[in-house]
Amino acid sequence: NAGVTQTPKFQVLKTGQSMTLQCAQDMNHEYMSWYRQDPGMGLRLIHYSVGAGITDQGEVPNGYNVSRSTTEDFPLRLLSAAPSQTSVYFCASSLSSSYGYTFGSGTRLTVV
Amino acid sequence: QQQVKQSPQSLIVQKGGISIINCAYENTAFDYFPWYQQFPGKGPALLIAIRPDVSEKKEGRFTISFNKSAKQFSLHIMDSQPGDSATYFCAVPNTGTASKLTFGTGTRLQVTL
Repeated sequence: NAGVTQTPKFQVLKTGQSMTLQCAQDMNHEYMSWYRQDPGMGLRLIHYSVGAGITDQGEVPNGYNVSRSTTEDFPLRLLSAAPSQTSVYFCASSLSSSYGYTFGSGTRLTVV
Repeated sequence: QQQVKQSPQSLIVQKGGISIINCAYENTAFDYFPWYQQFPGKGPALLIAIRPDVSEKKEGRFTISFNKSAKQFSLHIMDSQPGDSATYFCAVPNTGTASKLTFGTGTRLQVTL
């Protein structure tokens, strides 16, 4: 049982480049979320999904896109990377709103 | 948008002591209130959670105390151990949809020998 798998673990991008952070879960969880973690700011919600085909914005959605075509996958796309997007990104999934989230191990992204 | 205030920012406790971390929220929330534990280089992991219809929940050395009227809840770690050294986050569900969690800014706990 792999849980929540994030790839890649590390990435360096140049300003203006685009990329997709991958997230997959094998627990048949309906709820999935993307968070970014910055020093002293905790975890901030970027986008979330309550099921395949349903997504919504979180606290800091600008510069990011998501889609949810299957229950298992929830990729996060950076449209045009900026240094302000340098962060650690976590994907998380949950069975429902009343259960705790299971987090992936994170992707450390540096934009130069 | 839910507002969450977590304190203290950092905490140093001797082995065997009690660690206390506090969390306060502003908007009426429901469903459940979790605490997460994060070790360096790892993702947060659910530690313990409480539903708003109870005032206390205990799991081993970890206890959540919940004060609904004051909109506050706290994490108590009894008999703190060096292995408890980590960053702890409280989280509060957003009003209207518990699928959105707002996290506190975290407390870095160090348990010394």
